Amino acid sequence: DIQMTQSPSSLSASVGDRVTITCQASQDIGKYLNWYQQKPGKAPKLLIYDASNLETGVPSRFSGRGSGTHFTFTISSLQPEDIATYYCLQYDSVPPYTFGLGTKLELK
Amino acid sequence: EEQLVESGGGPAKPGGSRRLSCAASGFNFRNYAMNWVRQAPGKGLEWVSSISSGSSYVYYADSVKGRFTISRDNAKNSLYLQMNSLRAEDTAVYYCARDWHGLDVWGQGTTVTVSS
Repeated sequence: DIQMTQSPSSLSASVGDRVTITCQASQDIGKYLNWYQQKPGKAPKLLIYDASNLETGVPSRFSGRGSGTHFTFTISSLQPEDIATYYCLQYDSVPPYTFGLGTKLELK
Repeated sequence: EEQLVESGGGPAKPGGSRRLSCAASGFNFRNYAMNWVRQAPGKGLEWVSSISSGSSYVYYADSVKGRFTISRDNAKNSLYLQMNSLRAEDTAVYYCARDWHGLDVWGQGTTVTVSS
């Protein structure tokens, strides 16, 4: 099974900061990686699919890059409503789908 | 609007059973594979099971294999998860999710609590 190593596990940042989260796959997954945002008590929301494609309706301050084994997710200017936990998901070699352990983003 | 709505969660005793349902609307359900994903309290996301659009292929996480059964009824636009031999570690919010570019549309989740 493919393992996804996500870092950091938590992150404290200020409004307006640039925030970057990384996911490393245990083997080449091409561009088959998504990024999700999850707020407390809510379902995960798809933000980025196929590593770098912005889901319809998602603000352009969110972006994704990478291919193969190394991926990054960036919020260009952090907004208060972005406070959430973020997860990556690989779907190259499925089943099983495998998620990163999550990054909890907090306001400084 | 594409929507998934789960139901069927609630309490269960260890060794007991529970059947979850997921009602789909706003898209052509029969064209998509579907999944169940769960999240234990305070933990991350764990894929549980997948079923192909025509039910020919089903897959399970090792943690539920032999205990859970995924199924669907395309005529009713519904997905199901039959959970047997429940354990305390099955306590979680269970989400259904559509299979498209990974998992794109998610339901709001239904909570299963396994406790004696």
